[in-house]
Amino acid sequence: QQPVQSPQAVILREGEDAVINCSSSKALYSVHWYRQKHGEAPVFLMILLKGGEQKGHEKISASFNEKKQQSSLYLTASQLSYSGTYFCGTERGNNAGNMLTFGGGTRLMVKP
Amino acid sequence: EAEVAQSPRYKITEKSQAVAFWCDPISGHATLYWYRQILGQGPELLVQFQDESVVDDSQLPKDRFSAERLKGVDSTLKIQPAELGDSAMYLCASSFGTGVVFFGQGTRLTVV
Repeated sequence: QQPVQSPQAVILREGEDAVINCSSSKALYSVHWYRQKHGEAPVFLMILLKGGEQKGHEKISASFNEKKQQSSLYLTASQLSYSGTYFCGTERGNNAGNMLTFGGGTRLMVKP
Repeated sequence: EAEVAQSPRYKITEKSQAVAFWCDPISGHATLYWYRQILGQGPELLVQFQDESVVDDSQLPKDRFSAERLKGVDSTLKIQPAELGDSAMYLCASSFGTGVVFFGQGTRLTVV
């Protein structure tokens, strides 16, 4: 079942912060976050495993709430290069590689 | 830097014609995936291979789509006959076990 992402789109000014949420109705083993720019391949940002740990990557960090089956991606002090569509991919089990189901995406536009 | 190679990058074909896409995963990655991404949506898994074996092809329209990975390395995805609704980006990806899933640049298919 496809995870639900919110918001669907967000416009920021350079330097502002944003939060993107990813929710699933099923128990999850892991959540993967990707960013995709127009016409390009999705680029991996980070993986979060069940256990609720928070990870960081430059000024982008994420958390995974196992009880709520929800992950949030935090973008702080946004830069123009952060523009793109962000996808979460959820995995329900680790018994056969990564069978990721992707959400519909959140389009982020950062303006000067 | 190792990457997932796909060809062609772009393909225009007429309705009812056959079309094929090729993918060469990152060396050593046993798991290979084919995803379809319709414009404005998240990637949808079509088929997943573990070495040369199909792990999941539940979302593959088997009446017209076929995929193979004969020697457990590169893979081919075929559509015959192509329909207008098949126009999309076809993404190949690979991973080493349950690690990061790396995407190729994709093949943009337009069916006219």
